[in-house]
Amino acid sequence: GENVEQHPSTLSVQEGDSAVIKCTYSDSASNYFPWYKQELGKRPQLIIDIRSNVGEKKDQRIAVTLNKTAKHFSLHITETQPEDSAVYFCAASSTGTASKLTFGTGTRLQVTL
Amino acid sequence: DADVTQTPRNRITKTGKRIMLECSQTKGHDRMYWYRQDPGLGLRLIYYSFDVKDINKGEISDGYSVSRQAQAKFSLSLESAIPNQTALYFCATSGNSWKTSGGMDEQFFGPGTRLTVL
Repeated sequence: GENVEQHPSTLSVQEGDSAVIKCTYSDSASNYFPWYKQELGKRPQLIIDIRSNVGEKKDQRIAVTLNKTAKHFSLHITETQPEDSAVYFCAASSTGTASKLTFGTGTRLQVTL
Repeated sequence: DADVTQTPRNRITKTGKRIMLECSQTKGHDRMYWYRQDPGLGLRLIYYSFDVKDINKGEISDGYSVSRQAQAKFSLSLESAIPNQTALYFCATSGNSWKTSGGMDEQFFGPGTRLTVL
């Protein structure tokens, strides 16, 4: 089955700096890669996703890049703000009738003033 | 607003007790999932269901069972709870575009159930 590794487990940045979280996956059939944000005491919520037919996707201060050859994908947050502080999870899935998500172990991002 | 709800939100129980966690959704989604969250381990899939007649084991199904009573309801049971089942449990649903495109849709999570087994 799929295995997703995520690094780092914790990340502290100063407000205004950029943050990068990296994930690798094992199953070459995976072609859907979402990122979820979980604020303290809240449920995970999708912030951005990418499918394998594109290499990069942006949404305001958030971007995701995908390298299918190397089987890794990354989340980039620019101009970080205190409200970006949360736990971020990457995930991977193949498509098709039996598809399901495999999550990484999470990155706790702390944005300091 | 269409939503995913879970009951109870918090539960403390004793070793050996039977526990049921319930999940309901008003999103009209066919697919439902149960995850367990532990610190440092992320979200691990316990069971998932693609429709009322389809139940599948996830990566950590031992010690758990599920029931899909209707499209909108998916329950998780711990037949005989043990302390290492203490965790935060999330239910999730995902949409139906896979029927036409074969794609994977966004998963929508419930608020979670914090379970403590003493």
